[in-house]
Amino acid sequence: DAGVIQSPRHEVTEMGQEVTLRCKPISGHNSLFWYRQTMMRGLELLIYFNNNVPIDDSGMPEDRFSAKMPNASFSTLKIQPSEPRDSAVYFCASSVGVTGELFFGEGSRLTVL
Amino acid sequence: AQSVTQLGSHVSVSEGALVLLRCNYSSSVPPYLFWYVQYPNQGLQLLLKYTTGATLVKGINGFEAEFKKSETSFHLTKPSAHMSDAAEYFCAVSEGGGADGLTFGKGTHLIIQP
Repeated sequence: DAGVIQSPRHEVTEMGQEVTLRCKPISGHNSLFWYRQTMMRGLELLIYFNNNVPIDDSGMPEDRFSAKMPNASFSTLKIQPSEPRDSAVYFCASSVGVTGELFFGEGSRLTVL
Repeated sequence: AQSVTQLGSHVSVSEGALVLLRCNYSSSVPPYLFWYVQYPNQGLQLLLKYTTGATLVKGINGFEAEFKKSETSFHLTKPSAHMSDAAEYFCAVSEGGGADGLTFGKGTHLIIQP
């Protein structure tokens, strides 16, 4: 079975550019989570969706960040405009029910110059 | 609010020695507790979890953890370390059964000395 698929795996961009990260959750999973991982702050929950509906976006750092989930098999995290402090690894994870087990993708490593 | 504290950002043990990674949590309700492992340039994968019932939980790769409510702890152990255990380990807590995401600790980097 395919796991959570994220793209791109690596992105290098210049400050001020728009960045779009993509995620395909595991089929049948009804919850999707976006996390950001940095050395300084560890793993931070940015936003999560249940049944394609955003439930809690309180972790989104600024209005420059936005996330969508137009259907059960696709989600995007967009940063516009990007800044060097946005450099991090962004993980998407999905889950089903209330088991608590999150299945993570391999992450998208973003470098903003 | 829930939180997780992992004592020691780096832990070094010899191959064959006991592994002990410490995790303490804060939660206003009975928590769900998790340990995840992250290998370089990969995502996180679940080692084990505690929801209800037996407080000693066994996971993959010979790891186990014990939920101690009185100590608000969920330490991870393995009797004999293997070189392949070198990785980053994260403890996590959820008050909502995981449906609202997990709160992670800062992680512990496990180093295995030959």
